[in-house]
Amino acid sequence: GAVVSQHPSWVICKSGTSVKIECRSLDFQATTMFWYRQFPKQSLMLMATSNEGSKATYEQGVEKDKFLINHASLTLSTLTVTSAHPEDSSFYICSATLAGGETQYFGPGTRLLVL
Amino acid sequence: DAKTTQPPSMDCAEGRAANLPCNHSTISGNEYVYWYRQIHSQGPQYIIHGLKNNETNEMASLIITEDRKSSTLILPHATLRDTAVYYCIVRVGDNDMRFGAGTRLTVKP
Repeated sequence: GAVVSQHPSWVICKSGTSVKIECRSLDFQATTMFWYRQFPKQSLMLMATSNEGSKATYEQGVEKDKFLINHASLTLSTLTVTSAHPEDSSFYICSATLAGGETQYFGPGTRLLVL
Repeated sequence: DAKTTQPPSMDCAEGRAANLPCNHSTISGNEYVYWYRQIHSQGPQYIIHGLKNNETNEMASLIITEDRKSSTLILPHATLRDTAVYYCIVRVGDNDMRFGAGTRLTVKP
């Protein structure tokens, strides 16, 4: 149990376009989902916390208008990178917590390359 | 959430126990100790967590000192597939999870 999926697993796009990444909890309901990004040879950096039915909370330095997060249901959160630039190229990872649970379960990640 | 300190890298021989230390001297009474690992180009994988007592599951054992200022993750019989970055994180309840640099464990044949 406690499986989190992400789609797509990798994406290549042109500079200036927008990219949507989906995060799904497959076998549980997740009231809270988290979005991280990871640059090469670095650790995961929390971008935002997403609660179902409410606005996401962004970490300092993360532009909310650039990284749009929607958590419309208890099993789906989406991250849209708007007007992507090469510096947005990174490994994006989501995680989800069971309602009332303590443990975060992570998705397999989405590798984004912006040309 | 309290900060953790881990050695940047460790080696272990295949089949031997891997003991990964973590210092969390500023941990507060309601903070749990979590361990995750990240194999190259994958999302982090949950291993184990605990509050005060030692814990064991099918993957590993977690030993927490009595004063809770440090802990050790034990992989009893390391295999080549255990090569990964291991993260020790302290956290309260369902708060967000902050990752440090972790320990890069290399299991050698």
